[in-house]
Amino acid sequence: NAGVTQTPKFRILKIGQSMTLQCAQDMNHNYMYWYRQDPGMGLKLIYYSVGAGITDKGEVPNGYNVSRSTTEDFPLRLELAAPSQTSVYFCASSTWGNRADYGYTFGSGTRLTVV
Amino acid sequence: TQLLEQSPQFLSIQEGENLTVYCNSSSVFSSLQWYRQEPGEGPVLLVTVVTGGEVKKLKRLTFQFGDARKDSSLHITAAQPGDTGLYLCAGAKNTDKLIFGTGTRLQVFP
Repeated sequence: NAGVTQTPKFRILKIGQSMTLQCAQDMNHNYMYWYRQDPGMGLKLIYYSVGAGITDKGEVPNGYNVSRSTTEDFPLRLELAAPSQTSVYFCASSTWGNRADYGYTFGSGTRLTVV
Repeated sequence: TQLLEQSPQFLSIQEGENLTVYCNSSSVFSSLQWYRQEPGEGPVLLVTVVTGGEVKKLKRLTFQFGDARKDSSLHITAAQPGDTGLYLCAGAKNTDKLIFGTGTRLQVFP
């Protein structure tokens, strides 16, 4: 049972380059999320999706884009990489019941460095 | 605006000691979760509490949800080096996403 799979695990980008962080889940979860975690800090929500074809901004969406064409996949796109985007990126998914009794399943993260 | 404040921010203790981590808010949550994150990995769900005053035990870990559903605590008895990690609380407010706390980094030395 793979859960949430993120690729790549590590990446170094030059300023101005673009890349896509991949996230796939095999649990048939409707809800998916992208977070960034800066060193020693908590999680900041970038974008999230409540189902295929539906996406919404989190608290730090600037410089990122997402799409959700299938239930399984939720890629995160960086168009013009900046040093401020150096971080560890986590994808998560959830079934999200009415009382939010269902926790998030996280991937193992992508460590991105922009130089 | 950070709705969930955790304390302490850092905790460094010897193996065998007890500790408590607090998660506080001025807002009411429908449920609250605790996660543990080990270095190089994503957070892993430990427990969900949904009823005010609820207490749940997971081996040496005891979780409590405040009566007013605004706060929570995590107590670890006889801490072990394997408990080392970042502990995150997260609250749900009947919307479609969790609100994560500021985190408590625990280091347990042998």
